[in-house]
Amino acid sequence: EAQVTQNPRYLITVTGKKLTVTCSQNMNHEYMSWYRQDPGLGLRQIYYSMNVEVTDKGDVPEGYKVSRKEKRNFPLILESPSPNQTSLYFCASSLRESSYNEQFFGPGTRLTVL
Amino acid sequence: AQSVSQHNHHVILSEAASLELGCNYSYGGTVNLFWYVQYPGQHLQLLLKYFSGDPLVKGIKGFEAEFIKSKFSFNLRKPSVQWSDTAEYFCAVGIYNQGGKLIFGQGTELSVKP
Repeated sequence: EAQVTQNPRYLITVTGKKLTVTCSQNMNHEYMSWYRQDPGLGLRQIYYSMNVEVTDKGDVPEGYKVSRKEKRNFPLILESPSPNQTSLYFCASSLRESSYNEQFFGPGTRLTVL
Repeated sequence: AQSVSQHNHHVILSEAASLELGCNYSYGGTVNLFWYVQYPGQHLQLLLKYFSGDPLVKGIKGFEAEFIKSKFSFNLRKPSVQWSDTAEYFCAVGIYNQGGKLIFGQGTELSVKP
């Protein structure tokens, strides 16, 4: 089944404790992206990747890192999480860059930073 | 800066009522337009998309949207809603040649009363 998977689905952590949210897609998509969803703000792009080893900042990249060593995986890293990073995070992928192509979304990761 | 505005934050309708959700964007160049839906507890799914051609596009589950270029609008419609349409709806604009960026609106929560 074609899908985007994320792990973990729920995470409660404390300020400053490094964490990684994994994202994997099995559709051989070139483009992958991370979004955060906050009430009243919709989805905002954190980082995106056009292909392996090619990543770039989205609209709200501060406090986040990403890597794209393999085509299928696009982990989101929070080196030192802070409470303002409490949010619902979605990974998405598309065949190529997302302005022309449908994005397929993962199930989301709800992160709480205490 | 480019932005997408959804006029209604929360819409409450009775079953069989007609639905229209507004979406306006601010960008003078060529855009691609999407509506995504997020059912409770689920990930985002594509409802419909417009790239070019007939400005009236039909999507899944009886939804349609009309692109009015002069008004920078892409409103979502459904003649008769069902309880199962209860969800959050996001309008998104894809801007070509900007890293494949997809800009989302704030979302409209639709509640359909049985």
